Amino acid sequence: AQSVAQPEDQVNVAEGNPLTVKCTYSVSGNPYLFWYVQYPNRGLQFLLKYITGDNLVKGSYGFEAEFNKSQTSFHLKKPSALVSDSALYFCAVRRLNRDDKIIFGKGTRLHILP
Amino acid sequence: GAVVSQHPSWVICKSGTSVKIECRSLDFQATTMFWYRQFPKQSLMLMATSNEGSKATYEQGVEKDKFLINHASLTLSTLTVTSAHPEDSSFYICSAPGTGETEAFFGQGTRLTVV
Repeated sequence: AQSVAQPEDQVNVAEGNPLTVKCTYSVSGNPYLFWYVQYPNRGLQFLLKYITGDNLVKGSYGFEAEFNKSQTSFHLKKPSALVSDSALYFCAVRRLNRDDKIIFGKGTRLHILP
Repeated sequence: GAVVSQHPSWVICKSGTSVKIECRSLDFQATTMFWYRQFPKQSLMLMATSNEGSKATYEQGVEKDKFLINHASLTLSTLTVTSAHPEDSSFYICSAPGTGETEAFFGQGTRLTVV
């Protein structure tokens, strides 16, 4: 069975500091991994994905994520946090069978403190 | 990227009435659409998968007769909450799943409040 774990319900970071939102996954075969962001009362916006190739993936709004196969992790990072980064972040893995369903983590609320 | 348009963005209805939520793919054809429900401060719960030209497939525990899903064309999927009750109040989101390497695209979501 495929699954995604986001161990932190909430992460608080001071503005200007680096941020990390953690994600680990369990999947058979090669994973397709995604990060999405959700602002209040809005749908999800795509940030970045790992399919293959470089372990460090760069995405929208200055975010990046590092794929670590040995640790089965795909942590989201940003070198310098902005207050506007405050939102709910979801890690996801695609199920590589005929239904292509996406399995989401429970989400991590990121608070950037001014 | 692809655009998925979901309407309405919010709706308030009386208990016992039905509400229809539309999800349109604006610049691509979607043979499949996923419908999610999201409770406050929680993750997305997949409710069902709509399939163009065939019956929707529902996840375990989701009432088919309460949440009617129709995928009438390659650009339109609808979710109808029938005989709504306050416990149906939630945030509903549709998504065109993408396939393989492509990411999913999400509608803006619909906040349903049943009073």
